[in-house]
Formats: sequence, C-alpha cells, structure tokens
Amino acid sequence: AQKITQTQPGMFVQEKEAVTLDCTYDTSDPSYGLFWYKQPSSGEMIFLIYQGSYDQQNATEGRYSLNFQKARKSANLVISASQLGDSAMYFCAMYRGTSYGKLTFGQGTILTVHP
Amino acid sequence: NAGVTQTPKFQVLKTGQSMTLQCAQDMNHEYMSWYRQDPGMGLRLIHYSVGAGITDQGEVPNGYNVSRSTTEDFPLRLLSAAPSQTSVYFCASSYSPAPTNEKLFFGSGTQLSVL
Repeated sequence: AQKITQTQPGMFVQEKEAVTLDCTYDTSDPSYGLFWYKQPSSGEMIFLIYQGSYDQQNATEGRYSLNFQKARKSANLVISASQLGDSAMYFCAMYRGTSYGKLTFGQGTILTVHP
Repeated sequence: NAGVTQTPKFQVLKTGQSMTLQCAQDMNHEYMSWYRQDPGMGLRLIHYSVGAGITDQGEVPNGYNVSRSTTEDFPLRLLSAAPSQTSVYFCASSYSPAPTNEKLFFGSGTQLSVL
C-alpha cells in the first residue's frame, strides 16, 4: 500500500517570504512519481511540479522547488517569494510503478499569504 | 482546445435517485480517472481506465459504475445515490507511455449534494 502524509493542516507566510510545505510518503515500490497540485478557492486543480524517484536532481519550476529526500521519504514543496495569489490548498500526490494515472493524495495544506 | 470537460458543475439529488456525471477529453489521452474530494481527506480515486474497454477500481469504488466505450469519454454512474456520496467529483486524464513528468489534467469538478 502507498500513503501520503501532509502534517500541516494550515500554514501562514508573509508576502515575499519563502515557505515549505511538508510531504512524506510511504511505498515499497522503487519506481514512483511525486506531484504537487494547487487548488485555489475556485476549485480547479493546478499542476505545480513533478519529481520522479530516479531523478538525480530536485525538480524546480519557477518559484516552486521540490526538496526530495529519498532516504527520508519526503518531498517537500518550497515556494520562494510568496505572493498573495499563492493562498490556496496544496496537495502532495504520488503514483507508484506504472500506474501513472492512479494518484494517491495527501490531505492537503491550506496556505495563507499575508500582505 | 477544451482539455477535460465535466458536466454538470452542480447537481442536487434525492436519496435513491440515479445519475451520470459526464467526462470528456479531447487530448487523446489513454488514462482517465475519477476522484472524489471530501473535506479533510484530500482526493480519493474512485475508478480508473487505461484505455477504451478497460476499467479498474480505485480506493472507493462502492456505489459507482464506469465504462469506457471510447477514448474520449469516461462517465461515472451513481445507480442509487446516498448522502455519503455528497462530494466534489473530479475527472482527470493523462497520457504517459513513460514515467516522465506526466501530470494529470483535471476537469473543473462537479459539486454533488445528495439529500
């Protein structure tokens, strides 16, 4: 079985500061992929970043980076220079093996960016 | 380029009624899936399809049926709605012959209330 845990129900950050959202995962499969999605109040799911289990380097996408610590089974999302528009729910998700479309999601973290 | 289209956006049902949530994608994606989102629980996979004529159960399949007669469409059927099926439903699709940065494309969601 696979499991994703996001231990921070809510996080607060000041505008222009960096914030880290935690995600730990549990799988015995050597091949897996990790995603972060953003869900603003409008409800849509927005893809942010992806990390494959065999990727040697941490993924980066603009202001988003993924701090991938394979031995610790963690895949934390780092948002640099937070903006008011970053206020949203953030989900960590994983697939394992070749089940690319079968994602297991964490419970989510609500991020609030203060001006 | 419509992406993933879900209809309806909102629906209210009475207990015992049946209905079909529609999902269509125009990206020629092989993989399609249905998730439900409940407060505090993230998204959970209901059913999944790897191609026309092939479906599989996800984490919470009870009370739902699916079929995949074409690549484009993946409807979700509630045969006898129950209040426990009150949720937000997301359809998603992806195309990935290899595990490299293949994100899910999500529809805009259907908010379903069962009274």
